[in-house]
Amino acid sequence: QVQLQESGPGLVKPSQTLSLTCTVSGGSITSGGYFWNWIRQHPGKGLEWIGYISYTGSTNYNVSLKSRVSMSVDTSKNQFSLKMSSVTAADTAIYYCARALGATVTTLDYWGQGTLVTVSS
Amino acid sequence: QSALTQPASVSGSPGQSITISCTGTTSDVGNYHLVSWYQQHPGKAPKLIIYEVTKRPSGVSNRFSGSKSGNTASLTISGLQAEDEADYYCCSYAGRFTLLFGGGTRLTVL
Repeated sequence: QVQLQESGPGLVKPSQTLSLTCTVSGGSITSGGYFWNWIRQHPGKGLEWIGYISYTGSTNYNVSLKSRVSMSVDTSKNQFSLKMSSVTAADTAIYYCARALGATVTTLDYWGQGTLVTVSS
Repeated sequence: QSALTQPASVSGSPGQSITISCTGTTSDVGNYHLVSWYQQHPGKAPKLIIYEVTKRPSGVSNRFSGSKSGNTASLTISGLQAEDEADYYCCSYAGRFTLLFGGGTRLTVL
């Protein structure tokens, strides 16, 4: 059974960089055919796709966030990461990592439990 | 890209059927057979309940079904149960390897 677990600071100061890591267990991140996603949910609001990375390092980002987002993968640790720069209060949200089937990228079949990140001084 | 359009809320009584719509454009829902639906209970992560418009993952009740017509996808829940009370989100492929979510629909079981 594949499991995903987000980790990282729960509090980030405005203008700084948000950094989160997702650890995958129960399966290898290098198993072909998957995209590893980050999705966020503002408090009491809907889901927003941030982007994804493949185990080879190829990425695709939400156009609205592209200038501030970067993702990386560490296959030796079975982890992938998100960095979002120049954060503001508007970036306060629950951040989820999720696995998508590569052939049908909208099939997000495994999700982490989510981690709340608050942007505040 | 704007979020896909879903009704903010729907309700139904136990045993009834309800349908949640998800309206997009010819650039997303209307152009691809790649719509998925997620159920989210309070404080929990979303759970995949429908993928590729009509398919159900193993373990998901057959009371959940999906369909699509033109730019609108739909999720139908038959034989409503109290445990179905949750938020529901649609998701569509939007081209160029990007995904788009709906705004979410809160289902209340009366």
